[in-house]
Amino acid sequence: SAVISQKPSRDICQRGTSLTIQCQVDSQVTMMFWYRQQPGQSLTLIATANQGSEATYESGFVIDKFPISRPNLTFSTLTVSNMSPEDSSIYLCSVEAGFTDTQYFGPGTRLTVL
Amino acid sequence: GNSVTQMEGPVTLSEEAFLTINCTYTATGYPSLFWYVQYPGEGLQLLLKATKADDKGSNKGFEATYRKETTSFHLEKGSVQVSDSAVYFCALTYTGGFKTIFGAGTRLFVKA
Repeated sequence: SAVISQKPSRDICQRGTSLTIQCQVDSQVTMMFWYRQQPGQSLTLIATANQGSEATYESGFVIDKFPISRPNLTFSTLTVSNMSPEDSSIYLCSVEAGFTDTQYFGPGTRLTVL
Repeated sequence: GNSVTQMEGPVTLSEEAFLTINCTYTATGYPSLFWYVQYPGEGLQLLLKATKADDKGSNKGFEATYRKETTSFHLEKGSVQVSDSAVYFCALTYTGGFKTIFGAGTRLFVKA
């Protein structure tokens, strides 16, 4: 298994600003994932972040809006840029550990954009 | 394409009632199937999984059987508790694919 922490746990931001969310894992992992969970809805994969290469973005998500860093095997950041109220969501990072196909999730970052 | 469909919620039950949350999937090949649970204010956590046909995953009194013939993975519990109130997500992942597809989630309320 893997223990994942995220910072901040929640934030309220103004339109047009940017927020960087940090994800820390207690063990080295190859693949990290960033998801968005809009209110009352399921998870939507934003991108897959592998150490040493650029993130792979899903359809509908672009690097300019959601830049991701993955400097090492235990840490990643997701930035939500030029925010609008439509970006209000919970952002979750997860990892796939031990080639078990099982994902382990962080507690999430609850973002409100005014 | 691959997809997961689960019953719409919310589901409201009294304590000690029997729970079934239906989940069906569309996929080519042989995915692994999962149930994740999200308690209020928390991230998702794995509840149970099954990796091949006829496997039964079980945990905390919950169980689900991987039925390839009906492409289903229904979640059941014989006697729910108030503490089981949460959102339950059915999901599938391809071995080696590392991409998980989630159902829409089913919110469960259990009344004392």
